[in-house]
Parts: sequence; C-alpha cells; structure tokens
Amino acid sequence: ETGVTQTPRHLVMGMTNKKSLKCEQHLGHNAMYWYKQSAKKPLELMFVYSLEERVENNSVPSRFSPECPNSSHLFLHLHTLQPEDSALYLCASSPGEYERSGYTFGSGTRLTVV
Amino acid sequence: GNSVTQMEGPVTLSEEAFLTINCTYTATGYPSLFWYVQYPGEGLQLLLKATKADDKGSNKGFEATYRKETTSFHLEKGSVQVSDSAVYFCASLSGGSYIPTFGRGTSLIVHP
Repeated sequence: ETGVTQTPRHLVMGMTNKKSLKCEQHLGHNAMYWYKQSAKKPLELMFVYSLEERVENNSVPSRFSPECPNSSHLFLHLHTLQPEDSALYLCASSPGEYERSGYTFGSGTRLTVV
Repeated sequence: GNSVTQMEGPVTLSEEAFLTINCTYTATGYPSLFWYVQYPGEGLQLLLKATKADDKGSNKGFEATYRKETTSFHLEKGSVQVSDSAVYFCASLSGGSYIPTFGRGTSLIVHP
C-alpha cells in the first residue's frame, strides 16, 4: 500500500466513450499531480493541484479534464480520446508545493484507447 | 532550463555484480536530487534523495552522493539482486519550484 490509490488499474475504452480515473491519498498531502507515461517517452506532467486549486496545466488537450474536489481526491475525466492517448497515467502527491521530500506515486492506470 | 540526463539502458548485469547508473543535471541554484524506482506494472517509488552538496542518500543497499562540482548524482549498489530489476529515474527539484525534472529512466535487468 503506497498511500496513493488509483482506480481502475486497467481501462479499455472506445474513442467515443467517457470515463474517469480516480486517485485518492491518505497521507495528508496538499499537492496532487497527474502524469502521463508512454513507452519510449519521458514522463509528462499534465496537471498540478495545490490545496485543491489547479496551479499547472501543461498544454494538455481539452479531452482530458481534471477535477480536485478536496485535497485527498483527484480525478481525470476522459472523453473522445485518441489511440495515441493510450499510456500509463500516474497520480502523485506531495506534502506541499515546495516540499523537497519527494513525491508519492500511485500504481497507475493502464489506459488503452481502441 | 533544468535538465536531467541519465545513461541509456538497458543495463544488464549478473546477480551480485556492482551497479552504477550515471545521472547528471543542469539547474539554477542548488537543487534537491532524487532517485525513483519503477518495478514492472507499478508506479514510481522514491528510492533515495539528497538535498545539499556532499549529502549521500541511501536505501535498500543503494546509494548516491550529491556532487556539486561534477553536477552528478550517480546511483550505485555493491551487489545487485534479480529483484532489483526495474526502471530507475533520476530527478532534480530546484529551489522555488514544486515540479521536479525527471530523467528518461534507465532499465536495469539482473540475471540469476
């Protein structure tokens, strides 16, 4: 148990579907992050939330929509995805924005778009 | 901008061999440095860290020393095990920033 839980672990969706990824942390952290990990590519930061406010959005297409209802939960809403969006989506948390203790990652959601 | 460069993998070793994975960084000021490990089918886990020059981070037999003069943070282990097979990521975090810069990862394969 890493302290950051992501569900589902695996997701297969069609290009016209709408689905959501969920991330939950019980570490008392104030910052949460979404990353995309594709084969043969560096980790891509998608979104950053600090104290439930979005502080970073790295030019992510609008078919990805984040939501942070409270400091323990983070969602990534997906709609009309493309096959190239297939990847491992990782959630992470840290104590604060400027905390140097490092991130705690979840196990990820393996997304396949067909 | 900041960057982290890691040696390309895969690194293939026999069990009990000595491991070095090189990592160099460019950053403004004095960043904190991290090594993360990703086992198959899992997310990244923080392995060790160092927050100032000459600090040595260590965990599970792995260690890395923050070398300011060479801007390096090489990961070492004296005797690897099959269970160490994973992808290792080096990362830096500059003061005043909350977003680390990750290297591209180095795959380690350890054979019995």
